[in-house]
Amino acid sequence: GENVEQHPSTLSVQEGDSAVIKCTYSDSASNYFPWYKQELGKGPQLIIDIRSNVGEKKDQRIAVTLNKTAKHFSLHITETQPEDSAVYFCAASMSGIVDTGRRALTFGSGTRLQVQP
Amino acid sequence: DSGVTQTPKHLITATGQRVTLRCSPRSGDLSVYWYQQSLDQGLQFLIQYYNGEERAKGNILERFSAQQFPDLHSELNLSSLELGDSALYFCASSGQDLSGNTIYFGEGSWLTVV
Repeated sequence: GENVEQHPSTLSVQEGDSAVIKCTYSDSASNYFPWYKQELGKGPQLIIDIRSNVGEKKDQRIAVTLNKTAKHFSLHITETQPEDSAVYFCAASMSGIVDTGRRALTFGSGTRLQVQP
Repeated sequence: DSGVTQTPKHLITATGQRVTLRCSPRSGDLSVYWYQQSLDQGLQFLIQYYNGEERAKGNILERFSAQQFPDLHSELNLSSLELGDSALYFCASSGQDLSGNTIYFGEGSWLTVV
């Protein structure tokens, strides 16, 4: 099955700096790579995702890059703010066959990001 | 608000007991997934249902079972509970999309086994 590794496990940055979180995956059939943000006591919230036919995607201060050959993808947060402090999870999955929907996500172990004011 | 509703939000029960966690997926979503998150642990996939049928199994214990009903809501049954079963249990759902679709998570059910 799929295995997703995520680094670093903790990351502390100063407000305004950039933060980068990296993940690698093992199954070359995976074609969907979302990133989730989890705040304390809440469910994971999707913040950005990328599909394997795209190399980079941006949404305001957040960007994700994908290198299919190397099987790794990264989350970049620029101009970090204290409210970015949370645990971030990367994940991978593949589309299911036509009539059974998406396969379940395999998650990385998470990165605790702390943005110091 | 993701649109995925889970009940109860918190549950305290004793070892050996049985509990049922309930999930209502987003309107129209056919797939329901259950995940377990222990303290300081990642998200472990338990089981997936698609339109009432079991689709995939992950690291689900034999003491645990799930089902998805005709109205698409799902229940996760946990029996013979042990202290180590204390965790956050998340339900997630996704729709039917040939190109791949987003998986949305509920707020979770906190289970404490004492």
